[in-house]
Amino acid sequence: ETGVTQSPTHLIKTRGQQVTLRCSSQSGHNTVSWYQQALGQGPQFIFQYYREEENGRGNFPPRFSGLQFPNYSSELNVNALELDDSALYLCASRTDTGSPLHFGNGTRLTVT
Amino acid sequence: KNEVEQSPQNLTAQEGEFITINCSYSVGISALHWLQQHPGGGIVSLFMLSSGKKKHGRLIATINIQEKHSSLHITASHPRDSAVYICAVNTGNQFYFGTGTSLTVIP
Repeated sequence: ETGVTQSPTHLIKTRGQQVTLRCSSQSGHNTVSWYQQALGQGPQFIFQYYREEENGRGNFPPRFSGLQFPNYSSELNVNALELDDSALYLCASRTDTGSPLHFGNGTRLTVT
Repeated sequence: KNEVEQSPQNLTAQEGEFITINCSYSVGISALHWLQQHPGGGIVSLFMLSSGKKKHGRLIATINIQEKHSSLHITASHPRDSAVYICAVNTGNQFYFGTGTSLTVIP
């Protein structure tokens, strides 16, 4: 039981649409990060938020954006979906940058 | 060139064998993470290291900062250890991941 929950678990969208994925972290986890994992690959870092401010970003275009809320929940928004956005999206939270990561079970997004 | 390289990519072992998975990285790091991923996607954090060695049950993780290398060892492997093991490094505000080592332990 990691205490990190993601919703929805599965999602099917059409190319060009927009999607919002949600993550609920444990109380006290001020840092949340999001990752994209294509089938058969390792995760890729999208971005990190600390106390509602983005403080790190991987090599993803601006159509990937996020929000972190004071209640330890966060969102990943993807605009103008492309077929290559089909992947497992994972969030992970921790109390601070010196703490272990606690992962959610992910949202599997399929873009058709 | 990938910032994190893992070896081997795939590993099959007999139950009871001693297993080593290696991770090399090319960037300056604040911490290295060993993660375990089971089919279905859930990831569990096994270790976070910035120096030395850590042990948890049958699992041991070591890191050599000067050589930019880490190893994950599993002693007395068991079929329930079958999973993908992923090495990830944190450079402060960035994470880089290896492609994972798929381990199968045969009874």
